[in-house]
Amino acid sequence: KAGVTQTPRYLIKTRGQQVTLSCSPISGHRSVSWYQQTPGQGLQFLFEYFSETQRNKGNFPGRFSGRQFSNSRSEMNVSTLELGDSALYLCASSLGVLATQETQYFGPGTRLLVL
Amino acid sequence: DQQVKQNSPSLSVQEGRISILNCDYTNSMFDYFLWYKKYPAEGPTFLISISSIKDKNEDGRFTVFLNKSAKHLSLHIVPSQPGDSAVYFCAAITGYSGAGSYQLTFGKGTKLSVIP
Repeated sequence: KAGVTQTPRYLIKTRGQQVTLSCSPISGHRSVSWYQQTPGQGLQFLFEYFSETQRNKGNFPGRFSGRQFSNSRSEMNVSTLELGDSALYLCASSLGVLATQETQYFGPGTRLLVL
Repeated sequence: DQQVKQNSPSLSVQEGRISILNCDYTNSMFDYFLWYKKYPAEGPTFLISISSIKDKNEDGRFTVFLNKSAKHLSLHIVPSQPGDSAVYFCAAITGYSGAGSYQLTFGKGTKLSVIP
């Protein structure tokens, strides 16, 4: 079974631009969560989607948004990029709706650099 | 089979005292551990983490201890404050230090109530 895939793997943007990251979960998984990983802040939860509905949202500004499609694929968008948005963005999928109650499978991440 | 276990579903502590939250794991392949705090209707918030090569990590009032031989992890909060009242999740990762994808497994959480 193929794992979680994320595209693109690397991205360089400038301040003020916007970016869209994509995540394809493991086949059959309906829950997709997004995390931001930085050296200083560790792994921070962004949001979680299940059946095209946002179930949980972390403490991030409204510039960070996401959506999930009927095939469970998810996209994350960051508008008006700031230097501090430079990070590794991880997507994780799981079978059920409560991602913290079961094992999540992470993709390789998208490394975003904002200049 | 639950690989990450938090055997106490709830814990009550007096304000100012120490809160100790425990976590046991069964998978010896876990190489990175995290604690998350979760308020109702919010996603988990990362608190503190520890690599399997260490036995202690401190960040302000929060200290995480790792006992690999016992496969036991604990989070100490000193002093406890009413704002610390939340559900605390222990999480463990396999393959963290390698390239590519890894698995993150959460425990079921312990609800901490800090009484003023």
